[in-house]
Amino acid sequence: GENVEQHPSTLSVQEGDSAVIKCTYSDSASNYFPWYKQELGKGPQLIIDIRSNVGEKKDQRIAVTLNKTAKHFSLHITETQPEDSAVYFCAASKASSASKIIFGSGTRLSIRP
Amino acid sequence: DAGVTQSPTHLIKTRGQQVTLRCSPKSGHDTVSWYQQALGQGPQFIFQYYEEEERQRGNFPDRFSGHQFPNYSSELNVNALLLGDSALYLCASSPTNTDTQYFGPGTRLTVL
Repeated sequence: GENVEQHPSTLSVQEGDSAVIKCTYSDSASNYFPWYKQELGKGPQLIIDIRSNVGEKKDQRIAVTLNKTAKHFSLHITETQPEDSAVYFCAASKASSASKIIFGSGTRLSIRP
Repeated sequence: DAGVTQSPTHLIKTRGQQVTLRCSPKSGHDTVSWYQQALGQGPQFIFQYYEEEERQRGNFPDRFSGHQFPNYSSELNVNALLLGDSALYLCASSPTNTDTQYFGPGTRLTVL
């Protein structure tokens, strides 16, 4: 069945360093890959997404890469700041007018001052 | 422009009771999806509504049902509550025929 695996489950980095979160997906028909950030007591917030016709996308300190052949995708956060501390979810869907999103299990990112 | 709103924020019920959760989508969005997020896990898809019809459903029992109104707002109903139904229930909205979903703050349901 459809599955998204996410690693690591927890990640602690020094402020200013980079953080990388990796995901794999099982359904080769998946073609839309959003990333969400969830802070305590809040709903998931879309921070960046990538579609299967693109290998990399960048938005300021955040970048995502996609390897369709290996069914891997990753989130890279550079120059981490305290406000980056949160739970991050990768997700996959077959982009269409009736697409459900399959989420990974989440990565709790902590930024050490 | 208000984002996705949900009510109530928190809810406590006992086993066997029924509950109704409400969602208002972002302005201009006509598609509403519901997700269940257990503690420490990622959200799981329950179902999606478009044009007042259930368009797609995840692996949830018939105790979970929904409705969408002409103004695109939506309700999630859960009957015969179980302890395992305790979770954060998230609503997400999207515009017609797009894949990007925007989430509300959720309703925290506790079943005792």
